[in-house]
Amino acid sequence: KQEVTQIPAALSVPEGENLVLNCSFTDSAIYNLQWFRQDPGKGLTSLLLIQSSQREQTSGRLNASLDKSSGRSTLYIAASQPGDSATYLCAVIRSDYKLSFGAGTTVTVRA
Amino acid sequence: GAVVSQHPSRVICKSGTSVKIECRSLDFQATTMFWYRQFPKKSLMLMATSNEGSKATYEQGVEKDKFLINHASLTLSTLTVTSAHPEDSSFYICSASSGSYTEAFFGQGTRLTVV
Repeated sequence: KQEVTQIPAALSVPEGENLVLNCSFTDSAIYNLQWFRQDPGKGLTSLLLIQSSQREQTSGRLNASLDKSSGRSTLYIAASQPGDSATYLCAVIRSDYKLSFGAGTTVTVRA
Repeated sequence: GAVVSQHPSRVICKSGTSVKIECRSLDFQATTMFWYRQFPKKSLMLMATSNEGSKATYEQGVEKDKFLINHASLTLSTLTVTSAHPEDSSFYICSASSGSYTEAFFGQGTRLTVV
């Protein structure tokens, strides 16, 4: 069974600092890996999707890396802003599109 | 990306009643839809997988008679919480996929409160 772990569970940084969010998974036989953002009481917003053949994906201030062999992915958010405050979820995707989620990292960016 | 619409976004119901949640793929045909449940400060847990025209496959520990899933068309799946109890209060979210995409797309979620 795939286990997905996100460390740290919570993170508080001053505005402008770079964020590093970690995700690890136990089974390297993944299809894709996806990072989501969830605001309190809201649904999921997809941030980045990394296919298993890729090493990283970038979108604006966001960069996500994937190392399948070590079972790790890292989400980098550059120059954080208060609007980046949210919970960030990592999910490992199987070839049948079932997702296994981590418990998330709750980020607070202080103005 | 494709759009998945989930309705309602919030619902409050009395204990013992049933509640239906709809998940629609608006601009693609979803051969498979998934239903997840999220407990407070916890990860999302897969409840069941539904394929159009066939019975849903439930994950271990999920009561299929309590959480009825119907996937009658390629654009609509419904989750009915039957005889709801306060412990069924949770955030439910659906996702939809098809062979045309490399990812599944998520609805906005439904906050269910049973009083």
